[in-house]
Formats: sequence, C-alpha cells, structure tokens
Amino acid sequence: GQNIDQPTEMTATEGAIVQINCTYQTSGFNGLFWYQQHAGEAPTFLSYNVLDGLEEKGRFSSFLSRSKGYSYLLLKELQMKDSASYLCAVEDSNYQLIWGAGTKLIIKP
Amino acid sequence: IAGITQAPTSQILAAGRRMTLRCTQDMRHNAMYWYRQDLGLGLRLIHYSNTAGTTGKGEVPDGYSVSRANTDDFPLTLASAVPSQTSVYFCASSEGPASDEQFFGPGTRLTVL
Repeated sequence: GQNIDQPTEMTATEGAIVQINCTYQTSGFNGLFWYQQHAGEAPTFLSYNVLDGLEEKGRFSSFLSRSKGYSYLLLKELQMKDSASYLCAVEDSNYQLIWGAGTKLIIKP
Repeated sequence: IAGITQAPTSQILAAGRRMTLRCTQDMRHNAMYWYRQDLGLGLRLIHYSNTAGTTGKGEVPDGYSVSRANTDDFPLTLASAVPSQTSVYFCASSEGPASDEQFFGPGTRLTVL
C-alpha cells in the first residue's frame, strides 16, 4: 500500500529552527510537495523536490532522499505566523498526490 | 473572480438529500481536483479531471460524481448524502496533471445529519 508518515504535532520556540520529517512508501515517485495549511484555511504550496538534495527558499528549505524515501522541511527564524499544519505529499506513478495527515506546528513565544 | 472559488462555504444537509458543491477557477488551468479532508487523515482525492471533457476516479469516489463541461467549472455531486460524507471538501486546480503546484479553493464544510 501507499503510506506517508509525518509526526502529528511539534512545538518550537519563536526565533528557533525546526525540522519536520516525512517518510514515504508509494507506488512510483514523481516528486514530493510540502504545503502549509493554517487552521480553517486552504493548503498553500511551499516547495517541490524531485531530485535528491536541498532546495532553499527564504526561511524555508526542503530536502529529499529518494533512496531512503525521506524528506524534511526546515523552517528557520520561526515566527508566530508559522503556526500551522505542514502537509507532505508524494506524486505517485499515476501523477496523483498521496497526502500525509500533516504535522501541526505550535510556535511558543 | 480571482483564483479558485467554492460554494457554499458551509452546509448542513439531511441524509438522503442530493447536494452539488460548486467550484470555479479563472486561471485557465487544465487539471482540477476534489479532495475531502477529515481530522487525523490526509487529504484524499475523490475525483479529478486532467482536461475539460474528461474525468477520473480518485482514492474515494464512491457516492460522488463530477462533470467537467468546460475549463472553469468542476462541480461535485452527492447523489444521496450519508453521514460519513461529513467532511471539509477542497477543490484544487493546476496547470497540468503532473508535477505542478495545486491551487486550492477555500473549502466547503459539509455536515450530513
């Protein structure tokens, strides 16, 4: 079967760094996405990785290792507005997204 | 219209009733999707359309139908609603069906009693 695993909840302090991990087992792989979803709102796109390595975009970076079926999202200089759920999704061989349940990130002052 | 819109925002529905959730995008995207999001579960794909005139089944299509008569609109119909269809429904679109960022509508919160 297809499976995406990420921690249910994490807590971090404003100004700090946090790493949210995602492991996956899917039928095929055509890329991995990270989305941010604030409570009561729609998901919004953060990053896309298809090759191994680190993609940096401002305070957010995303890493992929295809051989390990592993990705992480790194958030630096945390701000209160970063409190949200972070969704990992893998595009399978049919080009459909398989979604993890999301990691709720709580930022404390 | 800017982006992707959904209607209604929320709805309470009696079991057995028919209901259509509306979705419209103005980005001229080829691909559109319907997801449901339930607490503790990831987004699950109900139906999708890679281009106007075509539709396909996702992971959880039973009890739902869709149509794609034109590029902009992608309605989702519940023929006879059941309580297990209580969920938040998101419509999304992307330029193409593969490896493209998906843009999401604001969601419809549906409660079936």
